[in-house]
Formats: sequence, structure tokens, C-alpha cells
Amino acid sequence: GAVVSQHPSRVICKSGTSVKIECRSLDFQATTMFWYRQFPKQSLMLMATSNEGSKATYEQGVEKDKFLINHASLTLSTLTVTSAHPEDSSFYICSAFSQQGGDEQYFGPGTRLTVT
Amino acid sequence: AQSVTQPDIHITVSEGASLELRCNYSYGATPYLFWYVQSPGQGLQLLLKYFSGDTLVQGIKGFEAEFKRSQSSFNLRKPSVHWSDAAEYFCAVGPSGGYNKLIFGAGTRLAVHP
Repeated sequence: GAVVSQHPSRVICKSGTSVKIECRSLDFQATTMFWYRQFPKQSLMLMATSNEGSKATYEQGVEKDKFLINHASLTLSTLTVTSAHPEDSSFYICSAFSQQGGDEQYFGPGTRLTVT
Repeated sequence: AQSVTQPDIHITVSEGASLELRCNYSYGATPYLFWYVQSPGQGLQLLLKYFSGDTLVQGIKGFEAEFKRSQSSFNLRKPSVHWSDAAEYFCAVGPSGGYNKLIFGAGTRLAVHP
């Protein structure tokens, strides 16, 4: 089946620094990748949609200058949290969409970000 | 407005008992409907999906769901729950004709007693 990986699985950073999270589709090409944020014991909230080679589309209320998304290839999308603050601490999950895979999204295992 | 409602935040069942998790949606067009399961600290795994056709959908791990258009519901069922089914379950809806973003419900946390 289609596999999506995320790296790192956990990261701790200091307030004011930036951190990059990678999302890779390992065995298929993903024309579209999605980034979600999940607070403890809550649902997933879509942050942005990224299409390969074009700018990401951000959901209302998501700061595009703070959450930089780059979808440089059909197998890699990155989310960079810039000037991180403790309130950015969360579980970030990516998913990749492939029509080859039956018209569904495949989810990565998530990245736990803790900002101290 | 588009939304997904999972009325039950927590459900506890005994191992071997039957299970039904409720999901209601509000969507302007014909929806694609999904059920996902999430184990602690993990990503989401697709249990089943409904696009069209037979309204009773079979999924993995012995789960099934029934689409009822008149009730705007897509409830998840399992006849006999196993201890390993303890997890968080999310219902989601997306646009038909291929899809872009998914709208998720708040989730239902399932606990299984031995």
C-alpha cells in the first residue's frame, strides 16, 4: 500500500527558532499534499494544501509567513514553523493524495512539536 | 456550512460486545465519506470509505458503515469488539468527484474493557 513518512517524529525546539518537518510519499507520486494540525484530544484541522510546483493554499486563520510550506517534488513536501512559540506546540500530520491510489489521502505518522 | 458531527466523545464497551459510532454530516453536495482510526501518537489509518453505490460499506478489521442519505448519517459498526480496537475514531467528509480537503469530526475515543 501507499506509505507516507514524516521526519522527525518528535522535535523539541526553543522559542524563537525555526523547525522543518518533512513529509514524503515513499512509493507513489503525490500531486497534492495536505498539512493538518491536531491539538491534544481534538480533531485534525487542515492548515494548508500544497500542490507540486505551486504555492500552497492556506486555510483561513493560518499564517502563511509563519507556516512555510514547500512542495518541491512529487514525493516531498516540507512545513517550516518559523519563529516558533510555545503555542505552536502541537501534533502535525501530513497526508498525500494520489489518484493512482484509489482517490484517497494517505496519512503520515505525525510529528510531535514541542516549543520550550 | 459544511460540518461533521460525532455526538459521542467517549464510548466504553466490553470486549466482544457490538459497537456503533455515530456520524452526522452537513454537506452541500454529494459527499465522499470516510472513517479513520488513530492510535495514540500515530497518524490516521483508513477503515473504510463511501463514494457511491451500495450504502453498506465493508472495511478493514471487521468494520462496516452504512450511508443513510435521508438522515445525513454514516455510522460505523462492528459486531464484536476486540481490545485492540481501543483508539480514536474520526469521521470525515470531502467533495465528490475526486476530492481536495477533508472535514473531520471531533472524534470518538473508544475504550474496551476486558
